[in-house]
Amino acid sequence: DVKVTQSSRYLVKRTGEKVFLECVQDMDHENMFWYRQDPGLGLRLIYFSYDVKMKEKGDIPEGYSVSREKKERFSLILESASTNQTSMYLCASHQGGAAKNIQYFGAGTRLSVL
Amino acid sequence: AQTVTQSQPEMSVQEAETVTLSCTYDTSESNYYLFWYKQPPSRQMILVIRQEAYKQQNATENRFSVNFQKAAKSFSLKISDSQLGDTAMYFCAFMTSNSGYALNFGKGTSLLVTP
Repeated sequence: DVKVTQSSRYLVKRTGEKVFLECVQDMDHENMFWYRQDPGLGLRLIYFSYDVKMKEKGDIPEGYSVSREKKERFSLILESASTNQTSMYLCASHQGGAAKNIQYFGAGTRLSVL
Repeated sequence: AQTVTQSQPEMSVQEAETVTLSCTYDTSESNYYLFWYKQPPSRQMILVIRQEAYKQQNATENRFSVNFQKAAKSFSLKISDSQLGDTAMYFCAFMTSNSGYALNFGKGTSLLVTP
């Protein structure tokens, strides 16, 4: 089974702090994604990466950056956390190819910025 | 722009009954994939069912099936013999290779299965 692991289930941070959300996948997938989930808004794409050191902006990249130094690890960085970044963050890994094209998700990190 | 619309924010169904969740999408792409994901209170997103746009046959997975109407850009999910464990948020999602295989989600439908 594919496993996508997010380092924290719950996180509480102060306004202005630098925050790192870590995500690791164990299936050698090329593509990894960070989504933000808010009630009534569904999931929105923040950033994705299709290879080591490669990244692409999603729909809502403002206030976020990402890092992918190793294939299995994709980090989301909040350079200076703000209260409007209080949300649920979901990481996903993509198994490509014509036969599958499935994304697998981590359990999510619920971030509160006070 | 590609959009996914789920018009039913909340639904309720009795155990053992059948329920259908609606989803429409808009795209100019010809090759794409459609998905239904389930998110129970545990928050883990679980793939329920997937459909390739080039396949005319509707996908089925046990009690779950879809009604894929490509011309109408409609992709509804039917849950038969509903069980209490089906209580969850259900998200319809859309994917193309041109978008880097990122998923474009609807806003979700909260399904409650009652005894």
